[in-house]
Amino acid sequence: GNSVTQMEGPVTLSEEAFLTINCTYTATGYPSLFWYVQYPGEGLQLLLKATKADDKGSNKGFEATYRKETTSFHLEKGSVQVSDSAVYFCALKDTGRRALTFGSGTRLQVQP
Amino acid sequence: DSGVTQTPKHLITATGQRVTLRCSPRSGDLSVYWYQQSLDQGLQFLIQYYNGEERAKGNILERFSAQQFPDLHSELNLSSLELGDSALYFCASNPDGRRDTEAFFGQGTRLTVV
Repeated sequence: GNSVTQMEGPVTLSEEAFLTINCTYTATGYPSLFWYVQYPGEGLQLLLKATKADDKGSNKGFEATYRKETTSFHLEKGSVQVSDSAVYFCALKDTGRRALTFGSGTRLQVQP
Repeated sequence: DSGVTQTPKHLITATGQRVTLRCSPRSGDLSVYWYQQSLDQGLQFLIQYYNGEERAKGNILERFSAQQFPDLHSELNLSSLELGDSALYFCASNPDGRRDTEAFFGQGTRLTVV
């Protein structure tokens, strides 16, 4: 079956530090890959997506590249801000099953 | 604001009771998904409806059921509630249910079973 594995949190960084949150997946076929962010007390918001191998998704300074050879979709940001503190979820959707399969989430805490 | 509306935002009820959670998808979206978020299970897909018909089932218990109405809003019914059903329940919608289109999430209904 499908699965998504994310690095354990929490990840604690100082403002302006470089961020990487690792995500690897197992899926049949050619899934689409997504990063969602959940701010405290809110629902999930799409951060970025990539629908085929070597695609790079980007938004608000965050980037992730769909790497089929390593089955990975790592999230990166060059300089984090306090306002980026949230829980980040990696997810996939494959051709057969159209609901999202989520990773366990990684909590990011950015300190001033 | 995602455009997906869920009501109520909070619900407290006793074990053995039945509750109904409501979701209004974004205007024009035909596909509705229900997810459960709990501390021990993470985010789990429950069920999907597309234009009034059940499209896919995930880890939905037999005590739970859902439907999508002609106006495309959806309801999730939870019965014979147990303490372990306490969780955040999210509804999401997208236009067509396709693999490459993102889902837009509501703010969730927090269910507490006491």
